[in-house]
Amino acid sequence: GAGVSQTPSNKVTEKGKYVELRCDPISGHTALYWYRQSLGQGPEFLIYFQGTGAADDSGLPNDRFFAVRPEGSVSTLKIQRTERGDSAVYLCASSPGDRFSSYEQYFGPGTRLTVT
Amino acid sequence: AQSVTQPDIHITVSEGASLELRCNYSYGATPYLFWYVQSPGQGLQLLLKYFSGDTLVQGIKGFEAEFKRSQSSFNLRKPSVHWSDAAEYFCAVGASNYQLIWGAGTKLIIKP
Repeated sequence: GAGVSQTPSNKVTEKGKYVELRCDPISGHTALYWYRQSLGQGPEFLIYFQGTGAADDSGLPNDRFFAVRPEGSVSTLKIQRTERGDSAVYLCASSPGDRFSSYEQYFGPGTRLTVT
Repeated sequence: AQSVTQPDIHITVSEGASLELRCNYSYGATPYLFWYVQSPGQGLQLLLKYFSGDTLVQGIKGFEAEFKRSQSSFNLRKPSVHWSDAAEYFCAVGASNYQLIWGAGTKLIIKP
């Protein structure tokens, strides 16, 4: 079946602009995660959704970052007033949502964000 | 605080040789441990996981890992590597709210 998809695959934006990154999880997966991966680093947790609600947003770096999942499926990560330090690959993952399988996360290919 | 350390940034192995990638973790309780592989242009793929029970776990693509509580380690092994195994490998520990805490990764280079 279809895996996790993310659009766009690449996004170049100017400092100060607003961007939206989209994630389409595997059908039926109730849990959805956003991570950020900087060059030479492992992924860094941003936010976790269970259904429509953000169960844990403790990884969002500041209030310029916001994510939604209004219908419990597609999620959008929104970044306001982008800064050059936001440049990274943004990864989305989904999982079935029960206790152990929630750790078995299926990742999308990521969106590479470059802020100039 | 929970953390994962992968001491080797790069490892070079000849095709057909055995492989061991090191992973050490810091976690207060019994950890849930994972290895993922990331190939260029591809998403992260789960190789194997440890939740409990047998400390030697088998994964996909011929990989295995051994959980050693006394050493806080979860090293990844493969008896004979193939050129297609060249990729970046990440170790992770499952933390609260199902988030994964990741090591910085080890890049595996295969010599022909």
